[in-house]
Amino acid sequence: DAGVTQSPTHLIKTRGQQVTLRCSPKSGHDTVSWYQQALGQGPQFIFQYYEEEERQRGNFPDRFSGHQFPNYSSELNVNALLLGDSALYLCASTEAGLTTFTDTQYFGPGTRLTVL
Amino acid sequence: GEDVEQSLFLSVREGDSSVINCTYTDSSSTYLYWYKQEPGAGLQLLTYIFSNMDMKQDQRLTVLLNKKDKHLSLRIADTQTGDSAIYFCASDYGGSQGNLIFGKGTKLSVKP
Repeated sequence: DAGVTQSPTHLIKTRGQQVTLRCSPKSGHDTVSWYQQALGQGPQFIFQYYEEEERQRGNFPDRFSGHQFPNYSSELNVNALLLGDSALYLCASTEAGLTTFTDTQYFGPGTRLTVL
Repeated sequence: GEDVEQSLFLSVREGDSSVINCTYTDSSSTYLYWYKQEPGAGLQLLTYIFSNMDMKQDQRLTVLLNKKDKHLSLRIADTQTGDSAIYFCASDYGGSQGNLIFGKGTKLSVKP
């Protein structure tokens, strides 16, 4: 059973460019969340997708947008990159609607984005 | 806004117990989590505790929750060099599952 996968592993961009990161959720999961982890910090919630809609959003500007596909995979897009966007971007998946304490988020290995 | 705080560093000797502490402000937290992150890797869920529990034990891991003081701790018994990593405490914002609030992480160093 494959866990959460993300691509690419590393990415280098320059200021002003646009980037797309990809995530495939764990088998059986239909909800995908994205987090940004700056160096030396804990992950910060960007947004969550369920049924191809953005369900929740954290405190991130509109330059950060996303998409979820019918197969539950997801993309994170960042426009007009800034130096401060350099971070590890983590994708997490879960199964929506569960109420038992066994449901939780499984994280992928992340994509390391460097903006020069 | 809601916040989760942790001490940044902890150093222990191999075989000793490690205790990592966390405080949180969100009184509506339903679950509280501990994640482990090794260098260059994503987050690995270690354990979690439901907010109406005081303690949970899972092999070498013991989680203690003081809901009145909003204090959470993770004890690792018989700490090994392989336990060296960054440990994150996270709150779930009342059970939404989509919006975890993380602390900045505690870097655990285990000396042989």
